[in-house]
Parts: sequence; structure tokens; C-alpha cells
Amino acid sequence: ELKVEQNPLFLSMQEGKNYTIYCNYSTTSDRLYWYRQDPGKSLESLFVLLSNGAVKQEGRLMASLDTKARLSTLHITAAVHDLSATYFCAVPNLQGAQKLVFGQGTRLTINP
Amino acid sequence: EPEVTQTPSHQVTQMGQEVILRCVPISNHLYFYWYRQILGQKVEFLVSFYNNEISEKSEIFDDQFSVERPDGSNFTLKIRSTKLEDSAMYFCAGVLRTDPNYGYTFGSGTRLTVV
Repeated sequence: ELKVEQNPLFLSMQEGKNYTIYCNYSTTSDRLYWYRQDPGKSLESLFVLLSNGAVKQEGRLMASLDTKARLSTLHITAAVHDLSATYFCAVPNLQGAQKLVFGQGTRLTINP
Repeated sequence: EPEVTQTPSHQVTQMGQEVILRCVPISNHLYFYWYRQILGQKVEFLVSFYNNEISEKSEIFDDQFSVERPDGSNFTLKIRSTKLEDSAMYFCAGVLRTDPNYGYTFGSGTRLTVV
């Protein structure tokens, strides 16, 4: 059974600092997704990572994928308050209907 | 950019009542999913739907749940007799899969509160 684990689950950081969120998954998959969720809102797609060594960047966020290690990272550079949100990684289960299996989420709070 | 629309955005219901949550997916999507998220917790898979049939369901999706696509466009999740623990955000999602960069597009969600 595919399991997806994120750490840390809670992260409080100051503006201007860098930090990394980690996402491990237990069985082989062909892609990984990162989503952002603001309180009470839906899931906003950030990145889809398709292959080993894939790296994507959007503003202060950069995501990477190591399929051999079954590990993805979401790196935040010079954090700003607007990035405060909960971040989820999700991996499709390649068996059956390819449902997305989500990590627990990382609640990121960026303080001025 | 096409959107997945869900209605209502918030529904309050009494325990034991039936609720129907509605989703209008993106027209060219072929695979559909319902997920739920209890407040502050992870997003959990409920059911997937393809070609007008359930293709997979989770342990959560027991006999009180049903899913339909009654008119070929709208997509519904029915909870027959709601319980307090059904209180959650419910999201529908769709995906096309013909583009290698395909993404799962989530709807805006329905917040269900069972009292």
C-alpha cells in the first residue's frame, strides 16, 4: 500500500530565511505533485514532477524529485509572509484508478 | 483556465439527514475522484469514477455513500444518513491524462457540517 509522509508537519520561520519540506513515498510511482492550501480553501496545484532529477521553480519555491530514493523536496528561498499556507505532496497510486495519495501536509507559518 | 465547480460551498445538516454534494467537472476530463478532508487533517480518497462506473473506493466509502453522474455532466456524492463524523470538506477532482504533464484539478470544495 502506498504511503506518503511529509516532514516537518509544522514549520514556523522568519521572513527571509530558507527552509526545505521533505516528502517520502513508499512504492514506485511515475510522478509527484505539490499543492498549496490556504485555510478553508481548495488545493492549488504548484508543481508536477515527472522524472528522476526533475527540478521545477516558481518564484521562491523550488521542487525536486529523486525517484530512486522516493523523495521529493520543496525548498523555500527567502520566505515571505504570503507563502504561509499548508503544503501537501501527493503521489498517484499506479494500481487501479491512480488515485492520489496525500502526505499529511506541512503547515508553514512565516513571521515578519 | 477551466475550473471544477462544486455546490453548495457550505452545507449544514442534521444528523441522519441525506445530503447531496454536486460537482461540475471540466468537460474533457475522463477520470473523477471524490476526496474528503476533516478539519486540519490530510486529504483522504473516497472514490474514483470512470466511464460511468465506480473504479475504486476506499474503506471510508461505505454503504451510506453513493456517487452518480446523472446527466453526463454533473457529478454527485450522496451521503444517505449523515453522522457527526462526516463533517469535513469534500473535494471533487478530475484528470484527463492525455497530456504527459497532466494534473489533477480540484474543485473549490463543499464544507459539510453535521449537527
